[in-house]
Amino acid sequence: DAGVIQSPRHEVTEMGQEVTLRCKPISGHNSLFWYRQTMMRGLELLIYFNNNVPIDDSGMPEDRFSAKMPNASFSTLKIQPSEPRDSAVYFCASSFERGAYNEQFFGPGTRLTVL
Amino acid sequence: GENVEQHPSTLSVQEGDSAVIKCTYSDSASNYFPWYKQELGKGPQLIIDIRSNVGEKKDQRIAVTLNKTAKHFSLHITETQPEDSAVYFCAASKIGGGADGLTFGKGTHLIIQP
Repeated sequence: DAGVIQSPRHEVTEMGQEVTLRCKPISGHNSLFWYRQTMMRGLELLIYFNNNVPIDDSGMPEDRFSAKMPNASFSTLKIQPSEPRDSAVYFCASSFERGAYNEQFFGPGTRLTVL
Repeated sequence: GENVEQHPSTLSVQEGDSAVIKCTYSDSASNYFPWYKQELGKGPQLIIDIRSNVGEKKDQRIAVTLNKTAKHFSLHITETQPEDSAVYFCAASKIGGGADGLTFGKGTHLIIQP
């Protein structure tokens, strides 16, 4: 099992550019989560999907952020246009919801730097 | 929404001693409380979790206690070892009909002194 796969691992871009982060969840998992980690705010939930449907996007900071999950094996988080304050580590996590058991498995993260 | 407070932010203990990290939560509907360990450059990894129908759970050197009345839960690590050095996060969520997002505490940087 390869675990949750995220790409790229590192991204450096200039303010105003579009950034797309990618995630491949663990095969068979039916829930996918996007988190953002910064020193100031810690780990924050941005959005999560269940069976490819967005359930709660209340954590998405503003309209510049969007997320999609076109199928069970792929999700993207897009920032357009990017700003320096978007610099953070973005984690994708997946889980298989089965009753009361829903351990979330995290990917290695994408470190985003916006200059 | 849920708010999780975690203390201390940094904890330094001698190797072999015990470490305790404490968290409080605000939403009485939360019923799932996992603890994650994050090593440098990696994503968080689940080390233990507890649900609201139990008050304590142990797994070798790690234990977690939950007090639903007071809305607080704690992580206990005994006989600490150098490999325990990492950042530890507590979290809370509600397990309903579908998986739920986690609300994390700000983390505790645990340092094991040799």
